[in-house]
Amino acid sequence: KAGVTQTPRYLIKTRGQQVTLSCSPISGHRSVSWYQQTPGQGLQFLFEYFSETQRNKGNFPGRFSGRQFSNSRSEMNVSTLELGDSALYLCASSRGDWTDTQYFGPGTRLTVL
Amino acid sequence: AQSVTQLDSHVSVSEGTPVLLRCNYSSSYSPSLFWYVQHPNKGLQLLLKYTSAATLVKGINGFEAEFKKSETSFHLTKPSAHMSDAAEYFCVVSGNTDKLIFGTGTRLQVFP
Repeated sequence: KAGVTQTPRYLIKTRGQQVTLSCSPISGHRSVSWYQQTPGQGLQFLFEYFSETQRNKGNFPGRFSGRQFSNSRSEMNVSTLELGDSALYLCASSRGDWTDTQYFGPGTRLTVL
Repeated sequence: AQSVTQLDSHVSVSEGTPVLLRCNYSSSYSPSLFWYVQHPNKGLQLLLKYTSAATLVKGINGFEAEFKKSETSFHLTKPSAHMSDAAEYFCVVSGNTDKLIFGTGTRLQVFP
């Protein structure tokens, strides 16, 4: 079974731009969660989508948004990029029950200049 | 609310010696607990998880962890370290949602 895939793997943007990251979950998984990993803040939960609806949300500003499509693929968008948005963005998929294991993709490394 | 505390930011061991990575948790609910490993420039891989079944949980690559409710601990152990175990390890808790709460990580170094 194919794992979680994320595209692109690397991105370089400048301040003020916006960016869209994509995540394709494991086949049959209906939940996709997004996390931000930085050296200073560690791994932080952004949001989770289940059946095209945002089910959980972390403590990030509204510049961070996401959506999920009917095939469970998810996109994350960051508008008006700031230097502090430079991070590894990880997505994880699961079947959707909170006891299920979340499987992580390799991440998208975003650098904001 | 849930939280995890990883008691050591760095652990160094010699190859062939035991590994102990310590984790304490706090949870309002009966928690699910996980250990994930992250190798350099890679995503996160699940080592093992506890979800209120057996308190001693066996994972991949010879790792295991014991859930101790009285001590609110979920320490990760391995009898004999291998060079390939060098990585960052995260203790993780979830309550009754899909939101995972990560510890700050423990970097494991393995010396030959």
